[in-house]
Amino acid sequence: EPEVTQTPSHQVTQMGQEVILRCVPISNHLYFYWYRQILGQKVEFLVSFYNNEISEKSEIFDDQFSVERPDGSNFTLKIRSTKLEDSAMYFCASSGDRDQPQHFGDGTRLSIL
Amino acid sequence: AQKVTQAQTEISVVEKEDVTLDCVYETRDTTYYLFWYKQPPSGELVFLIRRNSFDEQNEISGRYSWNFQKSTSSFNFTITASQVVDSAVYFCALKSNFGNEKLTFGTGTRLTIIP
Repeated sequence: EPEVTQTPSHQVTQMGQEVILRCVPISNHLYFYWYRQILGQKVEFLVSFYNNEISEKSEIFDDQFSVERPDGSNFTLKIRSTKLEDSAMYFCASSGDRDQPQHFGDGTRLSIL
Repeated sequence: AQKVTQAQTEISVVEKEDVTLDCVYETRDTTYYLFWYKQPPSGELVFLIRRNSFDEQNEISGRYSWNFQKSTSSFNFTITASQVVDSAVYFCALKSNFGNEKLTFGTGTRLTIIP
């Protein structure tokens, strides 16, 4: 069964550095998403992306964050000037259309030191 | 604003018992989707079910069943004859049917099945 893949599985970064989290959505999907889950808390929406542009974003997704689809397969989340509170599990998801279920990757655990 | 409440933070049951996970939601939308996801100890999020607000029929899939009651804004999830592999955190989620693409998750229920 096709799946969403995320790399790396764990990223450790010094505070203030930039990180790029990578995702390969399911190949025929058109909608892409990033969510995050701070340890022990609920999953929170960050951003959705369709037709090469952001279609929706949450209050969390401020100027520190950006997303990009650099080629036909990858979907990336960049976090600039990382802060301690950015430590979380980041999930990528994709769906075939807006109302289809979102299928999630295994997540990238980001640890900011 | 949308909100999903999972009042049960943790539940423990002995293997083979039935268990029901509660989910109550709030939305101003007349049409919407409800979801359940499973997060096993390994951390991934596994899609279990999607329910359209138009469809109030209950659904059964093997040992899993879902009870959707629009009148009480609830979408409860029952596992019958629970197994150790069912141990996980279960999240209920809500999505508007109009324009909005984000899933709004509840805080999750940690289910532990005791062998």
